[in-house]
Amino acid sequence: EVQLLESGGGLVQPEGSLRLSCAASGFTFSSYAMSWVRQAPGKGLEWVSFIGYSTSTTYYADSVKGRFTISRDNSKSTLYLQMNSLRAEDTAVYYCARMGRYCGGSGCTGGLYFDYWGQGTLVTVSS
Amino acid sequence: EIVMTQSPATLSVSPGESATLSCRASQSVNSNLAWYQEKAGQPPRLLIYGASTRATGIPARFSGSVSGPEFTLTISSLQSEDFAVYYCQQYNNWPLTFGGGTKVEIK
Repeated sequence: EVQLLESGGGLVQPEGSLRLSCAASGFTFSSYAMSWVRQAPGKGLEWVSFIGYSTSTTYYADSVKGRFTISRDNSKSTLYLQMNSLRAEDTAVYYCARMGRYCGGSGCTGGLYFDYWGQGTLVTVSS
Repeated sequence: EIVMTQSPATLSVSPGESATLSCRASQSVNSNLAWYQEKAGQPPRLLIYGASTRATGIPARFSGSVSGPEFTLTISSLQSEDFAVYYCQQYNNWPLTFGGGTKVEIK
């Protein structure tokens, strides 16, 4: 069974930093692209960042570019999001999500949709 | 950035009836369109990808289609567990973008 467990959320002051983690299990983590998606209170979904199955390909939403860094440790089956210079508008539930994009010995297949999601971790930026 | 527009914002439907949700992209996304269901206090769940392919374990009453620039999610014979918020998402271009959501509520 695919499981994604986020941690690291909490209350942080504006301009502060936080690192989120997502522990994955139930699948070959190193073969799948991963993303972070967030949802502000009472709002819709916003994609935040993507990382390919290796660490060489990353993408960011303009709203977080230059402030957030996505990374992964395939040996630990863990995804990370380092968030710096946090703003009030970064307040949201942050979800770790596995992408439908799978890369194996015969190449890559699938698409950039989110096929499994964690339960989310709440980040609150406030003084 | 591709803007995804969902309509209506809210849909009131009686149990057992069908619901039709729409999603339009500001430019072509080919068939790179997914649908998600979100219930209060739970993470989103993938329903449809590739515009019309049901994800693993999704009941056949959920179907996706496309006609020109408009994508449609149809839920036939709504069950109590189907009342939720539904989002579309394009994955044809970066950044990946979601629609604003359609809330399906009990009439």
